[in-house]
Amino acid sequence: GQNIDQPTEMTATEGAIVQINCTYQTSGFNGLFWYQQHAGEAPTFLSYNVLDGLEEKGRFSSFLSRSKGYSYLLLKELQMKDSASYLCAVYNTDKLIFGTGTRLQVFP
Amino acid sequence: DVKVTQSSRYLVKRTGEKVFLECVQDMDHENMFWYRQDPGLGLRLIYFSYDVKMKEKGDIPEGYSVSREKKERFSLILESASTNQTSMYLCASSSLGGANEKLFFGSGTQLSVL
Repeated sequence: GQNIDQPTEMTATEGAIVQINCTYQTSGFNGLFWYQQHAGEAPTFLSYNVLDGLEEKGRFSSFLSRSKGYSYLLLKELQMKDSASYLCAVYNTDKLIFGTGTRLQVFP
Repeated sequence: DVKVTQSSRYLVKRTGEKVFLECVQDMDHENMFWYRQDPGLGLRLIYFSYDVKMKEKGDIPEGYSVSREKKERFSLILESASTNQTSMYLCASSSLGGANEKLFFGSGTQLSVL
């Protein structure tokens, strides 16, 4: 079957670093996406990894290990506006499969 | 700015009604998708389309149908709405580049079936 696991909720303090993990077991793999979704809004694209390693984009970085079926999203210098849900999604053979999302709350 | 527009932000319908959810994108994308999003279940794919007049079932197509008569428009139809179809419905589109093509989402339609 297809399975994508990520923590349901996380909390962190403004200015800190937080790592959101995602593990997956899928029948196929053509890449992994991270999306950000603020409450009541559309998900928006953050990152895409298809090869092992770290992709850095400003305060956000995403890591992938295909052999371990594992990814993480790293958020540095947290800001209040980073409070949102973060969705991990794996591109299986022909479509995206989403995890249930991690709700991150950033406190002052 | 690229845009995926869903016709209604909130919708309240009665059990048994036929419901149409409309989605329009202005990016000339080939691919369009309908998801529903429920707490604790994440986004689940209902139907998708890679071309005009073409449709493919996603993971949870039961109780739904779709229509794609024009490239920019993808409609989701609930033939006879039921209370378990109360959910947030998200439309998305992407270009035909391949697995690395990101999705652009609409703002969603919160449907309540009473």
